[in-house]
Amino acid sequence: QKEVEQDPGPLSVPEGAIVSLNCTYSNSAFQYFMWYRQYSRKGPELLMYTYSSGNKEDGRFTAQVDKSSKYISLFIRDSQPSDSATYLCAMRAGGYNKLIFGAGTRLAVHP
Amino acid sequence: GAVVSQHPSRVICKSGTSVKIECRSLDFQATTMFWYRQFPKKSLMLMATSNEGSKATYEQGVEKDKFLINHASLTLSTLTVTSAHPEDSSFYICSVQSDTEAFFGQGTRLTVV
Repeated sequence: QKEVEQDPGPLSVPEGAIVSLNCTYSNSAFQYFMWYRQYSRKGPELLMYTYSSGNKEDGRFTAQVDKSSKYISLFIRDSQPSDSATYLCAMRAGGYNKLIFGAGTRLAVHP
Repeated sequence: GAVVSQHPSRVICKSGTSVKIECRSLDFQATTMFWYRQFPKKSLMLMATSNEGSKATYEQGVEKDKFLINHASLTLSTLTVTSAHPEDSSFYICSVQSDTEAFFGQGTRLTVV
């Protein structure tokens, strides 16, 4: 079993839809949770960061962490074609432990 | 967040030559930097952890003599792909981490012909 599981998709939605992206994990020591957006041939761009459990909202993006279920989510409201990218979840334990990435979900938002 | 500058963004080299990739942390002093490799439509694979002033720590299966890492200052780490072969063609990305988040460079696409 991988430490972090993420459905690679692809996920295709119409413009304006609400998108839900998810990751599950097995290591209960993970405390820091991140979502990255990666456009083709570019480095990952940090979208959202959450420490421990809870919700965090930033514009059209909402990140949720449920440590009891070992489940994290990223919601994108009013999706736009410019949101079309690969979304990677990443997480790590305390200190400078290495990041563990999900496989990445490819999202396509069509007009 | 931290700004990470990676250079070059793409490079083409001949088999047998060496290529150096630079990673600069522009606004953050990084005692540790990370080097990743990414294959098409795949996630990031950690290659090594670069430690300022000391030897890098390589992940299992990564040849340290093939991928030379130097972290001479708190703002600069370099990855040198030595005696490059076509199978080394890939997307290489560096990263710096704060206490909480991780920030990535824009990546270097290496093509070995």
